[in-house]
Amino acid sequence: AQSVTQLDSHVSVSEGTPVLLRCNYSSSYSPSLFWYVQHPNKGLQLLLKYTSAATLVKGINGFEAEFKKSETSFHLTKPSAHMSDAAEYFCVVSRNAGNMLTFGGGTRLMVKP
Amino acid sequence: DTGVSQDPRHKITKRGQNVTFRCDPISEHNRLYWYRQTLGQGPEFLTYFQNEAQLEKSRLLSDRFSAERPKGSFSTLEIQRTEQGDSAMYLCASRLEGSRGLDTEAFFGQGTRLTVV
Repeated sequence: AQSVTQLDSHVSVSEGTPVLLRCNYSSSYSPSLFWYVQHPNKGLQLLLKYTSAATLVKGINGFEAEFKKSETSFHLTKPSAHMSDAAEYFCVVSRNAGNMLTFGGGTRLMVKP
Repeated sequence: DTGVSQDPRHKITKRGQNVTFRCDPISEHNRLYWYRQTLGQGPEFLTYFQNEAQLEKSRLLSDRFSAERPKGSFSTLEIQRTEQGDSAMYLCASRLEGSRGLDTEAFFGQGTRLTVV
């Protein structure tokens, strides 16, 4: 079984300040982990993925995430928020050699001017 | 082919009617997934295909729901006798099985928004 918990349903930051979106996972095997972003009226877009290589993963638009097995966490960070980062973010877990993607409940990121 | 396409983008139907949605995946992708997303929630897995074989179905997929992928290319999702609770965004995704079974990126379509009135 696998599950994902996104610890904050809403996060609000000011433009230019750091972003932290928290994600904890549960998996009985070595997982693959992903972050997807969903802008209004647009499809889900992959930000980054972890598939058992480097634990610090860099993605698009300056985002990165660190896989911490001891903490079962995969938090998403960005040093400086931009207005265009406002969107819904989903942490996703999947089995290696697997099939189903399991989504967290999502975190809505708001960026204030 | 630049991505996963879904048709229609929006569907309004009366309760009790049948609806069918279509998904065209990225052409070389052998895996195809259907998800349902309700307002304020993350997408929930419904079912998935490896080529034309339907390999897994969620318990969310009641008997009123059926999905097919007859030639291992496009897929259809049919809902019979729709209920108001079926109102949601239905998302399709496709993915290529990587070497040694490593998961590759799933590409999502923009979804079909179903409203049952």
